[in-house]
Amino acid sequence: EDQVTQSPEALRLQEGESSSLNCSYTVSGLRGLFWYRQDPGKGPEFLFTLYSAGEEKEKERLKATLTKKESFLHITAPKPEDSATYLCAVPRGGNKLTFGTGTQLKVEL
Amino acid sequence: DGGITQSPKYLFRKEGQNVTLSCEQNLNHDAMYWYRQDPGQGLRLIYYSQIVNDFQKGDIAEGYSVSREKKESFPLTVTSAQKNPTAFYLCATGVKDNSPLHFGNGTRLTVT
Repeated sequence: EDQVTQSPEALRLQEGESSSLNCSYTVSGLRGLFWYRQDPGKGPEFLFTLYSAGEEKEKERLKATLTKKESFLHITAPKPEDSATYLCAVPRGGNKLTFGTGTQLKVEL
Repeated sequence: DGGITQSPKYLFRKEGQNVTLSCEQNLNHDAMYWYRQDPGQGLRLIYYSQIVNDFQKGDIAEGYSVSREKKESFPLTVTSAQKNPTAFYLCATGVKDNSPLHFGNGTRLTVT
């Protein structure tokens, strides 16, 4: 059974303090890994797709990387507007996704 | 604007009543999905449909029903048989296998 585990559950950073979020997965044949951002009371917003180990994607202060066992979402010099819950998910056929429980990020001034 | 519209944003119902959540999309995507989100748990798949007039149960379909009479619409009915219906419900669409899903902004259902 596919499993996705995210850590930490919650992270509090000062503005400008870089850090990384982890998404480890156990799947039978990785078909990709997705990162989403979710603001309170909203639906998840797609950020990145990674398909193979060694792949990296960047968007503003965010960079996602992928290995054979896990993915990292690196946040460089975060701002308060980066505060959100970050979700990762892996496809398991038929466009069905298995989601992790998310990392709730709070960036303070 | 292209997108996914879920309505209403908040819904309150008494125990024992059925309730229908609306999901409409104008992205022209074939596949549509319903997920449920609870605190501390990952999103869980309720039902999905890859084509009009066809749908499949997801991981937690008990107590729910759906229909797919039009490509644009995929309503979800939460029946009185659902034991813990209070949750945040998310509708999503997809283009093809192994591609990311696009989500609406959810309906928060509270049943008392």
